[in-house]
Amino acid sequence: AQTVTQSQPEMSVQEAETVTLSCTYDTSESDYYLFWYKQPPSRQMILVIRQEAYKQQNATENRFSVNFQKAAKSFSLKISDSQLGDAAMYFCACLMDSNYQLIWGAGTKLIIKP
Amino acid sequence: GAGVSQSPSNKVTEKGKDVELRCDPISGHTALYWYRQSLGQGLEFLIYFQGNSAPDKSGLPSDRFSAERTGGSVSTLTIQRTQQEDSAVYLCASSLRPDQETQYFGPGTRLLVL
Repeated sequence: AQTVTQSQPEMSVQEAETVTLSCTYDTSESDYYLFWYKQPPSRQMILVIRQEAYKQQNATENRFSVNFQKAAKSFSLKISDSQLGDAAMYFCACLMDSNYQLIWGAGTKLIIKP
Repeated sequence: GAGVSQSPSNKVTEKGKDVELRCDPISGHTALYWYRQSLGQGLEFLIYFQGNSAPDKSGLPSDRFSAERTGGSVSTLTIQRTQQEDSAVYLCASSLRPDQETQYFGPGTRLLVL
C-alpha cells in the first residue's frame, strides 16, 4: 500500500528565516506526482508546489522549493524568508500515475514567530 | 467560476437528521472528489466522479453516505441519519482529468452533529 509520512507534527521558525518540512513516501510505481498543500485556518487547501517524479530538477515557486530525492523517496519543502502569512498546516500528498486518489500525510503545523 | 465553491460553509444539525452538502467545481473540470477531514487529521478519500459517474465509491464510510453529480458539474454529498462521528470538514476538489492532474480544493463545509 502507498503511504505518505510527515514526521514533524509541528515546526516553528523565526520570521524571515528558512524552514524545511520533511516528507517521505512509499510506492512501488515509477511514475507519480508529489504535492505540497497549505491549509490556513480558513481551511482552504491551497496548492503550494508540484513535482513530477520523472523530472530530476527540483520544483520551485518563488520562496518555496523542494528537495526531491527519488531513490530515498523523500520530498521535503523549503520555505525561504518565512512570512507571517506562511503560518498554516502543510500537507504532503502523492498521486500515482495509475490512480486518481491523493494519498496524504498527517500534516505539519508551521508556526511563524514575529 | 474562478475556483471550487462549496455550500454551506458551516452546518449544525441534530443527530438523526439528513444533510446535503454541495460542491460546484471549476468550469471544464471533468473529475470531482470528496474528502473528509476530521479534527487534527489528514484527509480521508470518500468518492470520486468522472463526469456523472462514480467509478469508485469505496471510501464512503457507510450506506448512510451517498453522492451524485449532475450535468457533469455540481455534486451533492448526502448524509442520512447523521451521527456525531460524522462531524468533520468535508472538502471537495476538482481536476481537469482524473490522473496526473492537480486537484484544486474548495473551502470546505464544516459539519457539526449535536
